[in-house]
Amino acid sequence: GAVVSQHPSRVICKSGTSVKIECRSLDFQATTMFWYRQFPKQSLMLMATSNEGSKATYEQGVEKDKFLINHASLTLSTLTVTSAHPEDSSFYICSAFPTGQNIQYFGAGTRLSVL
Amino acid sequence: GEDVEQSLFLSVREGDSSVINCTYTDSSSTYLYWYKQEPGAGLQLLTYIFSNMDMKQDQRLTVLLNKKDKHLSLRIADTQTGDSAIYFCAEYSGNTGKLIFGQGTTLQVKP
Repeated sequence: GAVVSQHPSRVICKSGTSVKIECRSLDFQATTMFWYRQFPKQSLMLMATSNEGSKATYEQGVEKDKFLINHASLTLSTLTVTSAHPEDSSFYICSAFPTGQNIQYFGAGTRLSVL
Repeated sequence: GEDVEQSLFLSVREGDSSVINCTYTDSSSTYLYWYKQEPGAGLQLLTYIFSNMDMKQDQRLTVLLNKKDKHLSLRIADTQTGDSAIYFCAEYSGNTGKLIFGQGTTLQVKP
């Protein structure tokens, strides 16, 4: 199957700092990538759809100025959590559809802890 | 709206079969998926089924789809301790182009 790489796997930061998470499709191109957030013992919550070369589409209730998404190439999308606060601590997961396929492949996730 | 429901917990003995059930509401779903998530990890695609299929088998995994009842199941034969994980059912919504996930079923396999 296709491989989606997510980096870093874990980050601990102080309140008020910004954190960037990268999501790369290693062996395929992805015009669309997705960013999810997962709270402990819960399902995945879609935050936004990242579109290559255009603005991301955010789900209702997700602050676009707080969670900046950039999809500058067909293999890379980044999520920047700006001015992170403890309530932003969570597990963030990205995914991508290879073009022409109906299968979504997931990264390994990033555990963000804001102190 | 679109919704996917799963039971939250299943416990089986090693060597037994496990059956995880899922119901969905979106009749426009074209693909349905089963993902596995181990602690602290991302989601691993286990298998998927196209909506015009009734059954799909892949080694120890059997997926059954009852489109009339909008019911999907995953059977794991000869369940092993390494199968302990959370299993997510998901449907591809033709209306939104997004995946809709169930709450996840925690499978506990006892030796």
